[in-house]
Amino acid sequence: ETGVTQTPRHLVMGMTNKKSLKCEQHLGHNAMYWYKQSAKKPLELMFVYSLEERVENNSVPSRFSPECPNSSHLFLHLHTLQPEDSALYLCASSQGQGANEKLFFGSGTQLSVL
Amino acid sequence: GDSVTQMEGPVTLSEEAFLTINCTYTATGYPSLFWYVQYPGEGLQLLLKATKADDKGSNKGFEATYRKETTSFHLEKGSVQVSDSAVYFCALPLGDTGRRALTFGSGTRLQVQP
Repeated sequence: ETGVTQTPRHLVMGMTNKKSLKCEQHLGHNAMYWYKQSAKKPLELMFVYSLEERVENNSVPSRFSPECPNSSHLFLHLHTLQPEDSALYLCASSQGQGANEKLFFGSGTQLSVL
Repeated sequence: GDSVTQMEGPVTLSEEAFLTINCTYTATGYPSLFWYVQYPGEGLQLLLKATKADDKGSNKGFEATYRKETTSFHLEKGSVQVSDSAVYFCALPLGDTGRRALTFGSGTRLQVQP
């Protein structure tokens, strides 16, 4: 148990659906992240939130919309996705500044877009 | 930009064999370097790290030495076990996120056979 909980664990959605992924961290951290893990590709950083402010949007299409209502919760709202968006979406959190930060990851949401 | 390159897998070994997974990096300055591990059905977790040149990170029998001359951070273990079967990721902090987020290699799958 890493202290970072993601729900749901699995999600199947059609291209016209709207769904949301949820991440909650119980570690008192002040930064949260969304990563995308596709088969045979490196992990892709999607968004970074620090103190509830988005500090990084790594050229992610607008069909992905993050929300960080407080330092413990992070959402990823999904709408009109494409089949190539099928992947494992990982949430992570960290505390502090600088290059020595340790990221704590959730177990991910496995998303399939039909 | 800052990046890491690691050897492709899968790497298949017999129990008690010696393991090396190669990782080289490109970065401005001398950032911290990390190895993360992902067991089946789980998110990534930190395995070890090194914060400056010539440092050796170690954990659970795994070791990696930060070598600036060869810009490498190879992961080694003297005697692998079946329980070490997982995907291993080399990582370093992204410079353009104030070094808060990590960029990961493509991952190397290790399969250890009894």
